[in-house]
Amino acid sequence: EDQVTQSPEALRLQEGESSSLNCSYTVSGLRGLFWYRQDPGKGPEFLFTLYSAGEEKEKERLKATLTKKESFLHITAPKPEDSATYLCAVQASAGYSTLTFGKGTMLLVSP
Amino acid sequence: KAGVTQTPRYLIKTRGQQVTLSCSPISGHRSVSWYQQTPGQGLQFLFEYFSETQRNKGNFPGRFSGRQFSNSRSEMNVSTLELGDSALYLCASSSSAHRRNGTGTYEQYFGPGTRLTVT
Repeated sequence: EDQVTQSPEALRLQEGESSSLNCSYTVSGLRGLFWYRQDPGKGPEFLFTLYSAGEEKEKERLKATLTKKESFLHITAPKPEDSATYLCAVQASAGYSTLTFGKGTMLLVSP
Repeated sequence: KAGVTQTPRYLIKTRGQQVTLSCSPISGHRSVSWYQQTPGQGLQFLFEYFSETQRNKGNFPGRFSGRQFSNSRSEMNVSTLELGDSALYLCASSSSAHRRNGTGTYEQYFGPGTRLTVT
């Protein structure tokens, strides 16, 4: 069974204080790993897809990396508007596989 | 391009009733997936439809059902509502890169969700 574990559950940062969120996964053959951002009361917003170990993708202050067992979402010099819950999901390579989500990391950036 | 839309946005029902939620995917997307999101369990997969056929199903009781129409719009139905069905129900659409061998990698784009409260 595919599993995704995200840590920490919650993270409080000062504006400008860089940090990383972790996503550990077990899957029977990874087809893709996805990062989403979710604001309260809204649907998740797609951020990145990573396909293979060593791959990196960047968007503004966010950078996602992937190894064979985990992914990191690095947040550089965060701003209060980066406050949200960040979700990680994996898709296995077997057939028409669905996404398995972690429970997310709730990030709060204080000014 | 318009995003995924879901109706209604909020719903209050009583135990024992049934409810139907609607989802319109992004134009051109043929795959629609449904998820239930609760504080304790996070996002849990309900089912996925592709070209009017259920392609995957999660571990939910038979009270949860869905369908997809020829225009890719989808509905999900929950019968005999229970208090534990209170949740945010999310619909996601995908272009679902479809290949002969059944493989594909695709991003899912979510709608705003329907907040269902069962009293």
